[in-house]
Amino acid sequence: GPKVLQIPSHQIIDMGQMVTLNCDPVSNHLYFYWYKQILGQQMEFLVNFYNGKVMEKSKLFKDQFSVERPDGSYFTLKIQPTALEDSAVYFCASSWGRITGQLYFGEGSKLTVL
Amino acid sequence: GDSVTQTEGLVTLTEGLPVMLNCTYQSTYSPFLFWYVQHLNEAPKLLLKSFTDNKRPEHQGFHATLHKSSSSFHLQKSSAQLSDSALYYCALSDPGNNRIFFGDGTQLVVKP
Repeated sequence: GPKVLQIPSHQIIDMGQMVTLNCDPVSNHLYFYWYKQILGQQMEFLVNFYNGKVMEKSKLFKDQFSVERPDGSYFTLKIQPTALEDSAVYFCASSWGRITGQLYFGEGSKLTVL
Repeated sequence: GDSVTQTEGLVTLTEGLPVMLNCTYQSTYSPFLFWYVQHLNEAPKLLLKSFTDNKRPEHQGFHATLHKSSSSFHLQKSSAQLSDSALYYCALSDPGNNRIFFGDGTQLVVKP
C-alpha cells in the first residue's frame, strides 16, 4: 500500500542544535501532518500543511518549530534551537483530501536531545 | 470543541476472550470516527473507519458501530489473538476543520 517515508529514523543531538526531520509523503497526497509522541504517551497533533501553508497548529508547535515543503520535495519539520523536552518520536502523515479519509503515517523519527 | 475519550489506558485479557475497547466523543458536527492500531515500534495504521450510511465497518475480525445517540464508537472483537496486542487509538475527524483528534490510546495486552 501507499507508504510515507521518514528520514532519519533516529537522531541524537545536543540541546540548542538545529534538527530537520524529513518526510516523503504518499505521491498524490495534498495534506501533510506532524504528530509528536513522547515515549509511553499519546500521539499529539503538532501541525497540518496544505498548498504551501500551515493550516492549523497546536500549542505544542512552538516558535522554534517550522515546516515547509519546497517545490514538492520533502515535507520537513525543523526545530531550532532544540530543547530537552523535544525528545520524542515525530510521526509524519499525509492524506489525499480533507479529513474524511484516512491518514497514512510514516514509521516515525526518534529524536533524542541531550 | 472536539474531543475523544478512551477510558481504559490498559486492557489485559486472555487469548480467545472477547475484546471491547471504549471510545466516546464530542463534536460540533457529524464527525467521522476511526480506529488506528499501532504495534510496537511501528507506525499507526488505520484499522476501521465509520461509514456515513451507518454500515458496521469490519477488518481483521474487529468491528465498531457508530452510535450517534450515545456518541460512541467502541471497538469489538469476538476472540482475541496474541497478535492483537498493540496500542489502539480512537480518532475523530470533523468536517468543520482539517484535524484528526486522537484519544489517549488503549494498550491491549493479550496473554496466552
